[in-house]
Amino acid sequence: EDQVTQSPEALRLQEGESSSLNCSYTVSGLRGLFWYRQDPGKGPEFLFTLYSAGEEKEKERLKATLTKKESFLHITAPKPEDSATYLCAVYKGGSYIPTFGRGTSLIVHP
Amino acid sequence: EAGVAQSPRYKIIEKRQSVAFWCNPISGHATLYWYQQILGQGPKLLIQFQNNGVVDDSQLPKDRFSAERLKGVDSTLKIQPAKLEDSAVYLCASSLLQGAYEQFFGPGTRLTVL
Repeated sequence: EDQVTQSPEALRLQEGESSSLNCSYTVSGLRGLFWYRQDPGKGPEFLFTLYSAGEEKEKERLKATLTKKESFLHITAPKPEDSATYLCAVYKGGSYIPTFGRGTSLIVHP
Repeated sequence: EAGVAQSPRYKIIEKRQSVAFWCNPISGHATLYWYQQILGQGPKLLIQFQNNGVVDDSQLPKDRFSAERLKGVDSTLKIQPAKLEDSAVYLCASSLLQGAYEQFFGPGTRLTVL
């Protein structure tokens, strides 16, 4: 059974305290892995797409990496405005249906 | 560029009543998605359209849910009759192409079934 597991479920950081969020997956033939940010009361907002193991993408304080079994979202020197729920979604080979994880709720304290 | 529009933003109904949600995707986006997001969970795809044709509706509870995308632009999702477990946020998203591509989400409709 295809699964996408995100950890931790919740993470509290102090401003400037770097950390990583994990998304592990068990799908056959990964076609793509997506990271989204979701603020309360809003729809998810696209951050990154990763297609193959070893690929890395960066945007401001965020860096996403991908291996054959998992992806990490590294947050460097976070700010309070980085507080949100971070979702990952995967597409397996031959499917148009994305499978989302439950998300990691990140709170960054000033 | 205007984003994905959804209405209403909030809806409260009694169980066994019917409800409809509307979505207008980003102009030019051929692919439209409806998701259900239960509190504390990730979005679950209900149905995917390519223009006005259904690509996948394998996770749509067809005994009570229906969706249409007339003229390949805006779309309506209907629930009839609603159950307590349908309480969730219903998200609409669109993308330029079908498949593993970036999706743009609307703000969602929060449905509460009493």
